[in-house]
Amino acid sequence: EVQLVQSGAEVKKPGESLKISCKVSGHSFPTYWIGWVRQMPGKGLEWMGVIYPDDSKTKYSPAFQGQVTMSVDKSISTAYLQWSSLKASDTAMYYCARQDYGDYSSLLEWGQGTLVTVSS
Amino acid sequence: DIQMTQSPSALSASVGDRVTLTCRASQDISNYLAWFQQKPGKAPKSLIYDASSLQNWVPSKFSGSGSGTDFTLTISSLQPEDVATYYCQQYHNYPFTFGGGTKVEIK
Repeated sequence: EVQLVQSGAEVKKPGESLKISCKVSGHSFPTYWIGWVRQMPGKGLEWMGVIYPDDSKTKYSPAFQGQVTMSVDKSISTAYLQWSSLKASDTAMYYCARQDYGDYSSLLEWGQGTLVTVSS
Repeated sequence: DIQMTQSPSALSASVGDRVTLTCRASQDISNYLAWFQQKPGKAPKSLIYDASSLQNWVPSKFSGSGSGTDFTLTISSLQPEDVATYYCQQYHNYPFTFGGGTKVEIK
């Protein structure tokens, strides 16, 4: 069974940095794209981007390019999403999800989400 | 970017009703469309991929159809456990994009 387990909720101040994680088990981690999805409070789902763990190739949504950085550590089957300087508008739930096999395929299993709160 | 438009944004129906949700793409996406269900306070769950293929954990009361720009998700007999927001997503072009969602409630 494929499982994605995300790191716990975070409360940060504007300007601080943050790195959240998504640990994947139950499948061949390097060969499936891992995606990140934002959901702001009371709003819909926003596709942020995906990363291919085998070579760390990334595809970002233009809305998130330069705002966040996706990375992986293959040795521990973990994907990361990080911010260098948080803003209040980054307050949201962030989900990771495993994409089905191939570059153009749907998201299959999802993590439970990491709630990020940015407030002074 | 491809824009995905879902309608209606919300609907209320009775238990046992047949419910149809619509998703429209701003350009041809062939059948590169998925549907997700998100119950309140929970992570989204994949229901359908390639426009009409059910994930193997999804009950057969759900069905998807369409190709090109127009797609539908149908719940054949609405039950209380189907109360959720449903999202479509295209994966034909990067960036992959979601529709705004349809919130389904019981009347």
